[in-house]
Amino acid sequence: GAGVSQTPSNKVTEKGKYVELRCDPISGHTALYWYRQSLGQGPEFLIYFQGTGAADDSGLPNDRFFAVRPEGSVSTLKIQRTERGDSAVYLCASSQGQGNEQYFGPGTRLTVT
Amino acid sequence: ELKVEQNPLFLSMQEGKNYTIYCNYSTTSDRLYWYRQDPGKSLESLFVLLSNGAVKQEGRLMASLDTKARLSTLHITAAVHDLSATYFCAVEPAGNEKLTFGTGTRLTIIP
Repeated sequence: GAGVSQTPSNKVTEKGKYVELRCDPISGHTALYWYRQSLGQGPEFLIYFQGTGAADDSGLPNDRFFAVRPEGSVSTLKIQRTERGDSAVYLCASSQGQGNEQYFGPGTRLTVT
Repeated sequence: ELKVEQNPLFLSMQEGKNYTIYCNYSTTSDRLYWYRQDPGKSLESLFVLLSNGAVKQEGRLMASLDTKARLSTLHITAAVHDLSATYFCAVEPAGNEKLTFGTGTRLTIIP
């Protein structure tokens, strides 16, 4: 079956611009996660959704970052006033819920110039 | 705060040799994962370890978990070039959904 998909695969934007990154989870998965991976580092947790609600957003670095999942399926990560330090690969994962394995998408490589 | 440490960070080894990657973590965990990542690619799940003493093997890779020591190992037997990649361990703390990843071990197998 289809895995987690993310669009776009690459995004280049100028400092100060707004970007949206999209994640389509595996069909039927109720939980969705966003992680950020900087060059040479392991992924770092950003936010986790169970259904439509954000169950844990403790990893969002500041209020420029926001994520939604209005219908409990597709999620969008939104970054306002981008900074060069936001450049990273943004990974999305989904699972069948608490205690189940997370499956990762291919990621979106964001470059802020 | 949960800390996950891997060592070594870089490993260059010859084909046919055996080696072990170590993953230490600082707090009680429900489960531990090992992932493989090729350059420019996403994470591929290798193993999920659920309990103390768990051991799983797939091909030339074997992973184990000691929850009392808060240690997991990934053992590579008779390495081949195809195993060149970065390997991450990730810990899922008890009662928590988010994964905390180690820094990764970049493995290079030399013919």
